[in-house]
Amino acid sequence: EAQVTQNPRYLITVTGKKLTVTCSQNMNHEYMSWYRQDPGLGLRQIYYSMNVEVTDKGDVPEGYKVSRKEKRNFPLILESPSPNQTSLYFCASSPMGTRGRLGAFFGQGTRLTVV
Amino acid sequence: SQKIEQNSEALNIQEGKTATLTCNYTNYSPAYLQWYRQDPGRGPVFLLLIRENEKEKRKERLKVTFDTTLKQSLFHITASQPADSATYLCALDSGGSYIPTFGRGTSLIVHP
Repeated sequence: EAQVTQNPRYLITVTGKKLTVTCSQNMNHEYMSWYRQDPGLGLRQIYYSMNVEVTDKGDVPEGYKVSRKEKRNFPLILESPSPNQTSLYFCASSPMGTRGRLGAFFGQGTRLTVV
Repeated sequence: SQKIEQNSEALNIQEGKTATLTCNYTNYSPAYLQWYRQDPGRGPVFLLLIRENEKEKRKERLKVTFDTTLKQSLFHITASQPADSATYLCALDSGGSYIPTFGRGTSLIVHP
């Protein structure tokens, strides 16, 4: 089954404790992205990647890191989480060559709470 | 700055009626515009795409229009059902990254 898998689904952590949220897709998509979703603010892009070893900042990259060492994986790293990073996070992927026709495929979300 | 606007107020309609949602944008020259459905706590699901050179696109009970002069897209659900209740997001991409930028979404509530 074609899917984007995020782990963990839920995470409660303490301020300053480094964490990684994993994202993996099995569709051989070139493009991957991370969003955060907050009430009243909608989906905001954190980072995106157009292919292996190619990443770029989205609208709200501060406090986050990403890497794209393999095509299928795009982990989101919070080196020193703070309470304002409490949010619902989504990973998405989409294929090149279809010019957006198939849309972006989203993971099931990771609800992160930083206390 | 670039902005995508969707009505923040929920749209309440009766079952069987046509729901119409609006997406307006400024300072964009989108190559295409997409519509997604999102249920609470879940990831958005892609519904439809319309390109800059297309005026209208249909898929089953869904219809999307795109007016690049008005900088607006309308999303219609005909013969709406309670199962259509969800938040609907529009998303734009200028054709560069193929990772779209999203509006905040409009909640649709269809009453039986």
